[in-house]
Amino acid sequence: NAGVTQTPKFRILKIGQSMTLQCTQDMNHNYMYWYRQDPGMGLKLIYYSVGAGITDKGEVPNGYNVSRSTTEDFPLRLELAAPSQTSVYFCASSYSMAGGYNEQFFGPGTRLTVL
Amino acid sequence: AQSVSQHNHHVILSEAASLELGCNYSYGGTVNLFWYVQYPGQHLQLLLKYFSGDPLVKGIKGFEAEFIKSKFSFNLRKPSVQWSDTAEYFCAVSTSGGSYIPTFGRGTSLIVHP
Repeated sequence: NAGVTQTPKFRILKIGQSMTLQCTQDMNHNYMYWYRQDPGMGLKLIYYSVGAGITDKGEVPNGYNVSRSTTEDFPLRLELAAPSQTSVYFCASSYSMAGGYNEQFFGPGTRLTVL
Repeated sequence: AQSVSQHNHHVILSEAASLELGCNYSYGGTVNLFWYVQYPGQHLQLLLKYFSGDPLVKGIKGFEAEFIKSKFSFNLRKPSVQWSDTAEYFCAVSTSGGSYIPTFGRGTSLIVHP
């Protein structure tokens, strides 16, 4: 199993450009998540999905969009990039059910700089 | 809504010193508790977890944590740290009230001097 994979690893964008961060998991997990990590601020949840076709906003969704057309893939779209979106982005997945057994598995991250 | 507090933001220790990192949460119902570690330049990895049963949980690399329900705490401990424990440590909580979506603390940066 590859686990959770993310592409690209690094990216520099100009203000106003758009891009999609890719995330794929091969563990048949139902839940997937996108976080951003800024120094000293921990992880902030951007969006999450509890299954294919279902997405919901997290703590900091503004400026981002997601889709979940398959169980495996959960891309994050940045429209009109802004310097405030400079961050490290982590995708994660978990198998969660009514008991909440949701240990998360994280991808390697994408370091994004917006200039 | 649930929240997680990690009171120690930066900890500096010498090798062989004992470690205790605090984690407190706010939620009165059933909780699932996690500690994750992020080594420099790497992604988060699970250190240990508590779902139910024995409140003293043992994880990888000699780490343990104790769930004290009355104090809403899940502190991480290690009796003797090593230089390789230098990393950032995150506490996370998921609850039925939060649809089991984990909430993370701000993290504690641990530096261990050889």
